Amino acid sequence: KQEVTQIPAALSVPEGENLVLNCSFTDSAIYNLQWFRQDPGKGLTSLLLIQSSQREQTSGRLNASLDKSSGRSTLYIAASQPGDSATYLCAASGNTPLVFGKGTRLSVIA
Amino acid sequence: NAGVTQTPKFRVLKTGQSMTLLCAQDMNHEYMYWYRQDPGMGLRLIHYSVGEGTTAKGEVPDGYNVSRLKKQNFLLGLESAAPSQTSVYFCASGRDFGQLNQPQHFGDGTRLSIL
Repeated sequence: KQEVTQIPAALSVPEGENLVLNCSFTDSAIYNLQWFRQDPGKGLTSLLLIQSSQREQTSGRLNASLDKSSGRSTLYIAASQPGDSATYLCAASGNTPLVFGKGTRLSVIA
Repeated sequence: NAGVTQTPKFRVLKTGQSMTLLCAQDMNHEYMYWYRQDPGMGLRLIHYSVGEGTTAKGEVPDGYNVSRLKKQNFLLGLESAAPSQTSVYFCASGRDFGQLNQPQHFGDGTRLSIL
């Protein structure tokens, strides 16, 4: 059974810092790894999807990496801004519905 | 471009009452899902459907029923609401479990309180 863990559970950084969010999964037989953003009181918005054959995926200031063999993914946010404050969730996609981590709550302080 | 629409957005029920949450998607997706999100528990899958007329149990199905009579709609029913079902409910849709490497789309949620 796939299990997804995200560390840390919460993170507070000053504006302008670069930061890394971590995601680990137990079953490497995945199609892809997805990163979502959730703002308070809102649904989930897809940020990046890394296919199992890929190592990295980039969108603007966001860069996600995937190491299937070690069961790890990271989301790198460059030059953080207060507007990046949200909860970030990762989810592993295999031959079952998505399995989500519990998320990292990010606060970027101006 | 509506995407995934959930109705209602908020609801307060008394213990023992019944209600139905409606999810509609306009992306012609085969797969649809119902999750609940609780503090400290993350997103947990209640039921899902891989096509019109099909349903399957997820991680926490007890106390809920679902129906997928039309491809675009996925209904979640609470027959006899309990305080433990107080939660935020999210509906999602996708082309498949992920084989085609397309992201899953989520609605904005329904906030349900059971008194």
